[in-house]
Amino acid sequence: AQSVSQHNHHVILSEAASLELGCNYSYGGTVNLFWYVQYPGQHLQLLLKYFSGDPLVKGIKGFEAEFIKSKFSFNLRKPSVQWSDTAEYFCAVNPYSGAGSYQLTFGKGTKLSVIP
Amino acid sequence: DAGVIQSPRHEVTEMGQEVTLRCKPISGHNSLFWYRQTMMRGLELLIYFNNNVPIDDSGMPEDRFSAKMPNASFSTLKIQPSEPRDSAVYFCASSLHRGNTEAFFGQGTRLTVV
Repeated sequence: AQSVSQHNHHVILSEAASLELGCNYSYGGTVNLFWYVQYPGQHLQLLLKYFSGDPLVKGIKGFEAEFIKSKFSFNLRKPSVQWSDTAEYFCAVNPYSGAGSYQLTFGKGTKLSVIP
Repeated sequence: DAGVIQSPRHEVTEMGQEVTLRCKPISGHNSLFWYRQTMMRGLELLIYFNNNVPIDDSGMPEDRFSAKMPNASFSTLKIQPSEPRDSAVYFCASSLHRGNTEAFFGQGTRLTVV
């Protein structure tokens, strides 16, 4: 079964600092990759997704992620964070199987705290 | 569309009682997922349905947990009897079962078993 590792449990940054959250997955085949964000007290919302094509994916609110197949990684980046980015971020992987099964597996999440 | 709708938003119950969580997926979606989120274990997939049929329930913790999807617009997750360690936020999500799709999450039900 696939697994997802998020390297940092809690990241604390000052406003305007750059952000990079690590995500690695274990699965040898084709995958669909996602980053979800969960603001305090809210549900998970999709930040960005990768299915195929350009490995550099741009999402909402200035976030982007780069899929590096050789490293089984899908790191999330933002050049300048804001206080409103304080949230928990989840990386998720779904092995692509066409019309087959759907096994969306999440990492443990990384809490981001942005200090004004 | 109103999105994935879960009820209740909060539930407090006594140990040993039966608890039923409800979910209405996005209209037209044919895959539905139940997740449990705790501080210790993070986000765990409990079970998922495709076209109302349970596909994988290997994440269901034990026989006290059961899930049903009687039709395309409704699903329940039942815990009987409930225990304090079941306290968590339970999320329902839905998607189109088409390979290249993302899951949309409901607001969650915060369950507290005392």
